[in-house]
Amino acid sequence: GENVEQHPSTLSVQEGDSAVIKCTYSDSASNYFPWYKQELGKRPQLIIDIRSNVGEKKDQRIAVTLNKTAKHFSLHITETQPEDSAVYFCAAITAAGNKLTFGGGTRVLVKP
Amino acid sequence: GAVVSQHPSWVICKSGTSVKIECRSLDFQATTMFWYRQFPKQSLMLMATSNEGSKATYEQGVEKDKFLINHASLTLSTLTVTSAHPEDSSFYICSARDLSGGAYEQYFGPGTRLTVT
Repeated sequence: GENVEQHPSTLSVQEGDSAVIKCTYSDSASNYFPWYKQELGKRPQLIIDIRSNVGEKKDQRIAVTLNKTAKHFSLHITETQPEDSAVYFCAAITAAGNKLTFGGGTRVLVKP
Repeated sequence: GAVVSQHPSWVICKSGTSVKIECRSLDFQATTMFWYRQFPKQSLMLMATSNEGSKATYEQGVEKDKFLINHASLTLSTLTVTSAHPEDSSFYICSARDLSGGAYEQYFGPGTRLTVT
């Protein structure tokens, strides 16, 4: 089955700096890669996603890149703000499969 | 659109008792719902996939007789934790796929925090 690795597990950045989280996946058939933000005690919220036919996608301060050959994808947050502090999860799903496989999560702390 | 609710939001039960958690898709039909468990500071672990009108598919290591799943309608799936023990204390989250939208997006419920004393 699919295996998703996520790094780093914790990330501390100064407000205004950029944050980058990286994930690798094992199943070359995976073709949908969402990113979720989860605040303490709350549901994961989809912040951006990318499909395998696209290499990069951007939404305001958030961008995701996908390298299918290397089987890795990354989340980039620019101009970080204290409200960006949360746990971020990457995930992957295959066309044939039905299930999201999550990475281990990255705890992001933005220091004012 | 694409709202998923869960009830209750938190529950405390005594060891040995059973507790039922409901997951509802409020504004769309969900032929497939998913149940996850999340321990503190850990990722979401899929427990089972719930398909309307058929038996749930459980992930390896998840006891189907302990975690009973029923998906009786296109908008409701329930998870019953039977004979609960303290190690079952966790955050249980459901999600649902909206087939009328994108093929892959899943929408998560707000979660249910279960504490077994």
